[in-house]
Amino acid sequence: GAGVSQSPSNKVTEKGKDVELRCDPISGHTALYWYRQSLGQGLEFLIYFQGNSAPDKSGLPSDRFSAERTGGSVSTLTIQRTQQEDSAVYLCASSLASGGGGNEQFFGPGTRLTVL
Amino acid sequence: QQQVKQSPQSLIVQKGGISIINCAYENTAFDYFPWYQQFPGKGPALLIAIRPDVSEKKEGRFTISFNKSAKQFSLHIMDSQPGDSATYFCAARIGSHGSRLTFGEGTQLTVNP
Repeated sequence: GAGVSQSPSNKVTEKGKDVELRCDPISGHTALYWYRQSLGQGLEFLIYFQGNSAPDKSGLPSDRFSAERTGGSVSTLTIQRTQQEDSAVYLCASSLASGGGGNEQFFGPGTRLTVL
Repeated sequence: QQQVKQSPQSLIVQKGGISIINCAYENTAFDYFPWYQQFPGKGPALLIAIRPDVSEKKEGRFTISFNKSAKQFSLHIMDSQPGDSATYFCAARIGSHGSRLTFGEGTQLTVNP
């Protein structure tokens, strides 16, 4: 079956513009995560969705960042009024469930965002 | 409290050698420690993982050693191959926080032929 897909693969935008990044998780996976990977850095947690529960937004760096997950499947990460420091690779991951059990997170290829 | 420290930042090994990457953590609530492998242009992929109730886990050429008292864990790649050249990330998770992962900074491994 298909893995996690993300679109677009690359996005170049101008400072101050809004961008939307899309993630299609693996079918049947109830948990979905967004991470950010800056150049030469590890992955930074942004937000986590689990089923119909309220999302864990504790990793979002500012109120310019928001995310939705519609119908328990596709997710969109929106960055408003982009800044140059938002330039990074945004990675989405999904897993069967959350919490105990060590459920593996499967990552998509990421969206490389460049803010000029 | 949530940080995971990884070293070295980069590592060059000859084919057939042993690659060793180290990680240290502070938060004793972490209960799951995976290692991810990432090739350029790809997302990270789970390589091997360990829980704190065991001191070692081996899968093929890859071994995790875990020292709970020292709050350290390491990845050993035996008989390193050029195809192992990638960036490796250690990570840790607190089960009570869902499955969000806290990642180390990454190690860029180059295995020379």
